[in-house]
Amino acid sequence: DTEVTQTPKHLVMGMTNKKSLKCEQHMGHRAMYWYKQKAKKPPELMFVYSYEKLSINESVPSRFSPECPNSSLLNLHLHALQPEDSALYLCASSQVMYEKLFFGSGTQLSVL
Amino acid sequence: GNSVTQMEGPVTLSEEAFLTINCTYTATGYPSLFWYVQYPGEGLQLLLKATKADDKGSNKGFEATYRKETTSFHLEKGSVQVSDSAVYFCAHNSGNTPLVFGKGTRLSVIA
Repeated sequence: DTEVTQTPKHLVMGMTNKKSLKCEQHMGHRAMYWYKQKAKKPPELMFVYSYEKLSINESVPSRFSPECPNSSLLNLHLHALQPEDSALYLCASSQVMYEKLFFGSGTQLSVL
Repeated sequence: GNSVTQMEGPVTLSEEAFLTINCTYTATGYPSLFWYVQYPGEGLQLLLKATKADDKGSNKGFEATYRKETTSFHLEKGSVQVSDSAVYFCAHNSGNTPLVFGKGTRLSVIA
């Protein structure tokens, strides 16, 4: 299994909603990442988990809250988002930090 | 600081044309270099990589050579197909730093 699986594929939420994005990999990778990608832009790193501990937070607003329940799962909890947070959210994993990344297909998020 | 510069798109080619997408980088130390491809509605897929000077990465007919003297990693393909239409990202990382992406180059191949 060489896949990173993200759910849902699409999400529409209001500014007062709480929702979660989920990411799963079964490659035994110990580093997992959240990226945000706006249209026609490269991905921007948000968070990195290494061995289930948060290693990097790229000054992301607190309305985004990551969680790594175990070595295979990564969640991104969303609360009180703004319309400008609408983007494609990509999860990635690597064997260890800074090795080559395997990306999921992303969740296309629209905040109304 | 660390950065990647790649040619602005979009690039439009006819099927079977030769493709070059230029990429240069600035980095501390000896970075690993990557090309990722993003097809419409998808995440990024690793296309090829090179980890040291003069290494050539290749995959699916695409090639790129790690040129330390010119700090470049240009992507080439001899004969593009319609199915190669996608956005191509050059990227690097140096030791203990996260991946740095270029801005991406959109390629459209027409039949």
